[in-house]
Amino acid sequence: RKEVEQDPGPFNVPEGATVAFNCTYSNSASQSFFWYRQDCRKEPKLLMSVYSSGNEDGRFTAQLNRASQYISLLIRDSKLSDSATYLCVVNSNTGKLIFGQGTTLQVKP
Amino acid sequence: NAGVTQTPKFRVLKTGQSMTLLCAQDMNHEYMYWYRQDPGMGLRLIHYSVGEGTTAKGEVPDGYNVSRLKKQNFLLGLESAAPSQTSVYFCASRAHLNYGYTFGSGTRLTVV
Repeated sequence: RKEVEQDPGPFNVPEGATVAFNCTYSNSASQSFFWYRQDCRKEPKLLMSVYSSGNEDGRFTAQLNRASQYISLLIRDSKLSDSATYLCVVNSNTGKLIFGQGTTLQVKP
Repeated sequence: NAGVTQTPKFRVLKTGQSMTLLCAQDMNHEYMYWYRQDPGMGLRLIHYSVGEGTTAKGEVPDGYNVSRLKKQNFLLGLESAAPSQTSVYFCASRAHLNYGYTFGSGTRLTVV
């Protein structure tokens, strides 16, 4: 079983749609969690950290369920510029970040 | 601040040649990492460092060596390049183990 699993997609949605990505992780001792965004042929960039109480940054909402070892990212009112690959990232108990393989989002006009 | 800078950005090597990729960060980060990214494989950790003078193996270390003589620099060496090492290489750093990484813009390496 992979340490971090994501649905690779692709998710094809129209502009203005709400889309949700899910991620599961295997190490119950993991302490910190992140969502990264990666554009084609570019480096991954930190989108947001994920906190136990859930957190929001504009149109983006991240949720963490420690009991189910599940992380989610919700994007509201999708824009064309949201098209990218979204990486679920978990901090392992050895101090290294473990990356999921990413979920591809394509927002269409 | 430049953040994390990788040089070179592109390189083509012949099989058997050697080269060194340089990663430099100006954020005084303790932790530095080298990843490779291949289509369909995601990011795989090659080597990492938890401070100046330290290095450790990651998930796919074979064929690579690293050095961290100065805190701000983390070098990745390929002693005898192979076509299987054709990839995009990303360097990353972070200040604390609970923080996310800051990535460099990558080095696209092709071995022919």
